[in-house]
Amino acid sequence: EVQLVESGGGLVQPGGSLRLSCAASGFTFSSSWVSWVRQAPGKGLDWVAAINRDGSEVHYVDSVKGRFTISRDNSKNSLYLQMNSLRVEDTAVYYCARNAWWGQGTLVSVSS
Amino acid sequence: DIQMTQSPSTLSASVGDRVTITCRASQSINNWLAWYQLKPGKAPKLLVYDASSLESGVPSRFSGSGSGTEFTLTISSLQPDDFATYYCQLYNGRFGQGTNLEIK
Repeated sequence: EVQLVESGGGLVQPGGSLRLSCAASGFTFSSSWVSWVRQAPGKGLDWVAAINRDGSEVHYVDSVKGRFTISRDNSKNSLYLQMNSLRVEDTAVYYCARNAWWGQGTLVSVSS
Repeated sequence: DIQMTQSPSTLSASVGDRVTITCRASQSINNWLAWYQLKPGKAPKLLVYDASSLESGVPSRFSGSGSGTEFTLTISSLQPDDFATYYCQLYNGRFGQGTNLEIK
């Protein structure tokens, strides 16, 4: 059974940084593309970033390019999202995803 | 980047109606597509994966079809609990714009 467990969310001021982590199990992590998606309060679903199997290829939604960095450690079955220069509009529940399956999410709140 | 186009953006229907939502990819994505249901205050719910496989526990009135660039989600007989917003998503990629299914 695919399991994805996010951590690292919290309250941060605009301009601040956070690093999200995702612990994966139940599948061969090193063979899988994985990604981050988010849902802002009362809003729809947004794809944020994706990374290929060995980390050599990454993709970002335009609104986070230059501020967020997706990475992975296959030796630890872990996915990360380094979020810098956070904005109020980045407030959302962030989900780690592998294909159709997501974790339970971690809340990131950006507010002064 | 592969773009996902979902239609309609709003769909008005009645209990018992059969409804279909369409999702088109800007290039072939094989069957790498999922459908989700979104309700206020709740986590997104996976309905269909691999374009046509029903997630465990999802009522059989939901079905997905398609491959390549064109996909559909069909609800065969709308129930009151089905009025929600629906999204398609390319695996590890973009979502469609969403379809708000409302009561007529």
